[in-house]
Amino acid sequence: GDSVTQMEGPVTLSEEAFLTINCTYTATGYPSLFWYVQYPGEGLQLLLKATKADDKGSNKGFEATYRKETTSFHLEKGSVQVSDSAVYFCALYNFNKFYFGSGTKLNVKP
Amino acid sequence: GAVVSQHPSRVICKSGTSVKIECRSLDFQATTMFWYRQFPKQSLMLMATSNEGSKATYEQGVEKDKFLINHASLTLSTLTVTSAHPEDSSFYICSASPGDRSSYNEQFFGPGTRLTVL
Repeated sequence: GDSVTQMEGPVTLSEEAFLTINCTYTATGYPSLFWYVQYPGEGLQLLLKATKADDKGSNKGFEATYRKETTSFHLEKGSVQVSDSAVYFCALYNFNKFYFGSGTKLNVKP
Repeated sequence: GAVVSQHPSRVICKSGTSVKIECRSLDFQATTMFWYRQFPKQSLMLMATSNEGSKATYEQGVEKDKFLINHASLTLSTLTVTSAHPEDSSFYICSASPGDRSSYNEQFFGPGTRLTVL
């Protein structure tokens, strides 16, 4: 069945460092891909999405490109801030259902 | 943006009792609400999909008599864990979608409820 695998955390970076969180997926058909972010005590918030191959989703300096050939949707940011500390979930949407990765906790130190 | 709340945020109960968790869409009408369960360091697993005024659709392996879902209005869905046992301890998250099946990919998530069964 469909599934999402993302790198385990926590990931600890210094402020202004480059961020990559890996995400790969297994799916039939043509899923849409998403990154959600969860801040402490809050619900998951949509960060960015891509609906077809080679699309690039971007928001708040974060980017991810839908790579069908490598079945990947890696999240990147050129310069992280302390305020980016949160848990990040990769997800795919296919046939009216979401499938989530296990989440990656990001800690950014000043 | 659209806001979804859950109540309570944390609940501790004794084994054998029932616990009700509420999910509310605060500033939009939710045609469809979803209930997820998350185990530590694991992904969110969809438990059931509920549409206002109709019976919930449960995922394979989820006991519908154990996890009772009611979606009585366009802004409220409830999940009742009946005769709770320690293995039901988990993080329960709801989400709400304003549209029909064509827009299920637009979901707004609540902050979750931590259930601990002693």
